[in-house]
Amino acid sequence: IAGITQAPTSQILAAGRRMTLRCTQDMRHNAMYWYRQDLGLGLRLIHYSNTAGTTGKGEVPDGYSVSRANTDDFPLTLASAVPSQTSVYFCASSDSAENEQFFGPGTRLTVL
Amino acid sequence: QKEVEQNSGPLSVPEGAIASLNCTYSDRGSQSFFWYRQYSGKSPELIMSIYSNGDKEDGRFTAQLNKASQYVSLLIRDSQPSDSATYLCAVNRNNNNDMRFGAGTRLTVKP
Repeated sequence: IAGITQAPTSQILAAGRRMTLRCTQDMRHNAMYWYRQDLGLGLRLIHYSNTAGTTGKGEVPDGYSVSRANTDDFPLTLASAVPSQTSVYFCASSDSAENEQFFGPGTRLTVL
Repeated sequence: QKEVEQNSGPLSVPEGAIASLNCTYSDRGSQSFFWYRQYSGKSPELIMSIYSNGDKEDGRFTAQLNKASQYVSLLIRDSQPSDSATYLCAVNRNNNNDMRFGAGTRLTVKP
C-alpha cells in the first residue's frame, strides 16, 4: 500500500451500535488526524495523535474515541452511534504538526 | 465569525482565464497556510503550502499571503475544466495540531 487507507468505504449503521473506522498509513508519519466533513461546515477535527501512544481532542470530540498503539494505525470508535454522526470521515497524517496533512479516501457513514 | 472564511461560490470562469480564490482567517497567531483541492466524492489533496508573506508560485498556481490583513489567496492561471473542484483553505494555528479549514469555494471552469 502507498499513502493512507481507510475502511470501510461506506457503512450504514443503526443508532446505538458501536462502530470502528480504520485508518492505516505507510509513510511513517508521526502525526495522524480524524476529521468529519459536513456540507456547509467544512472539515472539522475530531481527534489527533502527535505520536504513537499519545492522543488529543480536536474541535468536535464528543461521542468519539481514538487510540494510537503504533505509528501506522489510528482507529476511530463511535461507542454508541447517533444520527448526527452521519458524515464523511477522513483520516489524515503529517510528518509533523506544523506541516501539510495528507488525506485518506474517506469513509461515508450513515447512522439511521 | 468563522475562524477561516471562504466565499462558497460557485465561482465560474471561462477556460484560459485566471481564477482567484480568497480566504480570510481570524487568529493572528496562525503560522502555516495551505490550499487543498477536493473533487466531488474524493478526498482533499494538497496544492500549495505557504508560510511567509508574499507570493509562492508552483506551475499554474500562485499562493499569496498577507499576515497583516489576515488573508491568503490562490490564483490559478490558464484555468482548465479539470480545475473544476472545491478549493479548501486551511490554517494551522500556532503550528500545532489545530488546523482549521474553510468550508471551501466551488470553482467551475467552463470550456
